[in-house]
Amino acid sequence: DQQVKQNSPSLSVQEGRISILNCDYTNSMFDYFLWYKKYPAEGPTFLISISSIKDKNEDGRFTVFLNKSAKHLSLHIVPSQPGDSAVYFCAAGGFGNEKLTFGTGTRLTIIP
Amino acid sequence: DARVTQTPRHKVTEMGQEVTMRCQPILGHNTVFWYRQTMMQGLELLAYFRNRAPLDDSGMPKDRFSAEMPDATLATLKIQPSEPRDSAVYFCASGIQGIETQYFGPGTRLLVL
Repeated sequence: DQQVKQNSPSLSVQEGRISILNCDYTNSMFDYFLWYKKYPAEGPTFLISISSIKDKNEDGRFTVFLNKSAKHLSLHIVPSQPGDSAVYFCAAGGFGNEKLTFGTGTRLTIIP
Repeated sequence: DARVTQTPRHKVTEMGQEVTMRCQPILGHNTVFWYRQTMMQGLELLAYFRNRAPLDDSGMPKDRFSAEMPDATLATLKIQPSEPRDSAVYFCASGIQGIETQYFGPGTRLLVL
């Protein structure tokens, strides 16, 4: 039973355009969400997070949006750069609980 | 800079052999996680420790997998006997109790023939 779902295994975006990665969750007890980025042959690295008391969090070119009623979050990258090509994992957890549930990942390719 | 380290980075072994993977968490971190990355399941949590005590190992096949923290600077994941379906990348991550962000090591790529 996949509690965190990333339904798009891959996504290709032109350099300079906006990349939108989506994530859905089923467990209403989740109240903290994170995005991780993973390059080949490396471990995932933390990118950005959001708690359920917010609906948006921004950090430079990266913005995460949370729609609690739809149990949906998205990561927006604008403008997309070639170095953004990587696998992006969505993760969810309970506030103050360090255990996370990860999605299956979306491979983002930025086309120069 | 502080990083999680994992050894070995790559391991090729034959079915039935014992495999031991090691992880050194970031100094000062008191939570440690073991994950397995597969194409179908993404990052699956195998086990996690807080202050060296195992809190959850429900994701681990109990008959062949075991995870321990002999001390605060070392976590181990052992597979005995290994099977071809265990071939995957195994990640260790560490963090701080009550804080959601985890820091991952580079992974051990395991191939069981």
